[in-house]
Amino acid sequence: GDSVTQMEGPVTLSEEAFLTINCTYTATGYPSLFWYVQYPGEGLQLLLKATKADDKGSNKGFEATYRKETTSFHLEKGSVQVSDSAVYFCALTGSPNGGTSYGKLTFGQGTILTVHP
Amino acid sequence: ETGVTQTPRHLVMGMTNKKSLKCEQHLGHNAMYWYKQSAKKPLELMFVYNFKEQTENNSVPSRFSPECPNSSHLFLHLHTLQPEDSALYLCASSQESGAGETQYFGPGTRLLVL
Repeated sequence: GDSVTQMEGPVTLSEEAFLTINCTYTATGYPSLFWYVQYPGEGLQLLLKATKADDKGSNKGFEATYRKETTSFHLEKGSVQVSDSAVYFCALTGSPNGGTSYGKLTFGQGTILTVHP
Repeated sequence: ETGVTQTPRHLVMGMTNKKSLKCEQHLGHNAMYWYKQSAKKPLELMFVYNFKEQTENNSVPSRFSPECPNSSHLFLHLHTLQPEDSALYLCASSQESGAGETQYFGPGTRLLVL
């Protein structure tokens, strides 16, 4: 079945540092890929998404590029802020030819990010 | 109200109690979902409803019983739960249930089973 693997956390950075959170996936066909963020005490919010190979999703200074050849969707930000402290989830939905996973969101285990002033 | 709302936000119940979680979406979506978020585990999809019809039951124990009376409301009825069912229960909605659809999440209900 489909699966998503994220880099182990927690990740601790100083303000204005560069952020990379690695995400790789296993899926048949052409899944859609997502990054969700969960701030303390809140539900998940969509951060960005990409629905086909080589697409780049971007939002709030975060970027991720859909790499079919390496089955990856790494999240990057050039300069993090204290307000970026949260849990980040990589996820996918299966493609129409991907069998039972079509439309079903499969999540990675989440990466806790803490940014210090 | 906008977005996806969930009530109650916190719930403590004994193993013999019966309670219900409520989710309401104000986005005009046709698909709704229940997820379970436990410590140190990935989010687990529990149920999917599309146009009020259940299209996915991810091998969830029968002590969890979903109900979707219309496209805007989703309930999760709970009875004879176990302590390991303590978790954050998240509701989500999307325009349709399909690949590439963005799911919008509520704030969750934090459940503690004693």
